[in-house]
Amino acid sequence: RKEVEQDPGPFNVPEGATVAFNCTYSNSASQSFFWYRQDCRKEPKLLMSVYSSGNEDGRFTAQLNRASQYISLLIRDSKLSDSATYLCVVNTGFQKLVFGTGTRLLVSP
Amino acid sequence: DVKVTQSSRYLVKRTGEKVFLECVQDMDHENMFWYRQDPGLGLRLIYFSYDVKMKEKGDIPEGYSVSREKKERFSLILESASTNQTSMYLCASARGDYNSPLHFGNGTRLTVT
Repeated sequence: RKEVEQDPGPFNVPEGATVAFNCTYSNSASQSFFWYRQDCRKEPKLLMSVYSSGNEDGRFTAQLNRASQYISLLIRDSKLSDSATYLCVVNTGFQKLVFGTGTRLLVSP
Repeated sequence: DVKVTQSSRYLVKRTGEKVFLECVQDMDHENMFWYRQDPGLGLRLIYFSYDVKMKEKGDIPEGYSVSREKKERFSLILESASTNQTSMYLCASARGDYNSPLHFGNGTRLTVT
């Protein structure tokens, strides 16, 4: 089993839709979690950290479920500019960050 | 804003050449990392460093070495480039605390022919 798993997609949604991605992790001792966004042929950029209580940043909401060992990212009112690959990152130990292979989102007009 | 700068955006090298990829960060971060990213495999850690002159192997260190002589600079060295090292190379830095996220440079796309 991979340490961090994501559905590769692509998720095809119309503008204005709400879309959610999950990411499962295998190491129950994992301490910190992040979502990154990566555009085609560009570097990953931090979208948001994921806190135990859940957190929201505008149209984006991240949640952590420790019992089931997954994190989620919810995007409301999707924009064309949200089209990208979303990477889940899990810190499983001292600076040992494990990346998922990403979920591709395509938002269409 | 954190700035992580990689010296080259695109690089083409021949098999057997020695290749240097340079990375500089301007935020006084303790930790620096080198990853490679390949389709379907995601990001894989090559080496990381948590202090000057310190280095730790990541998941795929074979064929690579690194150098960190100054806090702000972390170099990746391919001693003898091979075609299977054709990839996107990403440098990143982070503060030394546990929950600090990574900040990436804009990547070097290396092609070895």
